[in-house]
Amino acid sequence: QKEVEQDPGPLSVPEGAIVSLNCTYSNSAFQYFMWYRQYSRKGPELLMYTYSSGNKEDGRFTAQVDKSSKYISLFIRDSQPSDSATYLCAMSARNYGGSQGNLIFGKGTKLSVKP
Amino acid sequence: NAGVTQTPKFQVLKTGQSMTLQCAQDMNHEYMSWYRQDPGMGLRLIHYSVGAGITDQGEVPNGYNVSRSTTEDFPLRLLSAAPSQTSVYFCASSYLGTAQAFFGQGTRLTVV
Repeated sequence: QKEVEQDPGPLSVPEGAIVSLNCTYSNSAFQYFMWYRQYSRKGPELLMYTYSSGNKEDGRFTAQVDKSSKYISLFIRDSQPSDSATYLCAMSARNYGGSQGNLIFGKGTKLSVKP
Repeated sequence: NAGVTQTPKFQVLKTGQSMTLQCAQDMNHEYMSWYRQDPGMGLRLIHYSVGAGITDQGEVPNGYNVSRSTTEDFPLRLLSAAPSQTSVYFCASSYLGTAQAFFGQGTRLTVV
């Protein structure tokens, strides 16, 4: 079993829909949870960052972490065509040696928002 | 503010050739890393550094060398390129103690 599982999609929704993206993981040591957005032929762009459990909201985006279920989610409200991209979840474990920057990524979900 | 800058953007190599992928950041981040992204595989960590003079291996280090002589720069060297190294390479950086990594725009490498 891969450490981080993410449904690759593709996912196609109409403009204005609520989008739900999810990842599951197996390593209980993960403490840092990120969502990245990657446009075609571009680098990953950090969207949301959460330490440990809980919810975080930023505009139309909400990230949720449920450590008891080893499950994280990203919700996009009022989706726009400009949200069309690949969304990557990423996680890392707390490490006092400084390697919490070593990220484990899901394979990414390709989202298309149709006008 | 440039962030993380990678050069070149594209490169074609012949099998057995060597090259260096450059990465520079201007955010004074202690931590830097290299990933490769392959279809169906996601991003995988090659090497990382927690500061100048300190490097370590990630998940897929074979065939790659790194060094870190300054805080700003973290080059990735391919000593003898193989077709299996055809990929998109990303450099990332972050402050030590956080996991909020910022990525460059990538280098698309093809080995023929």
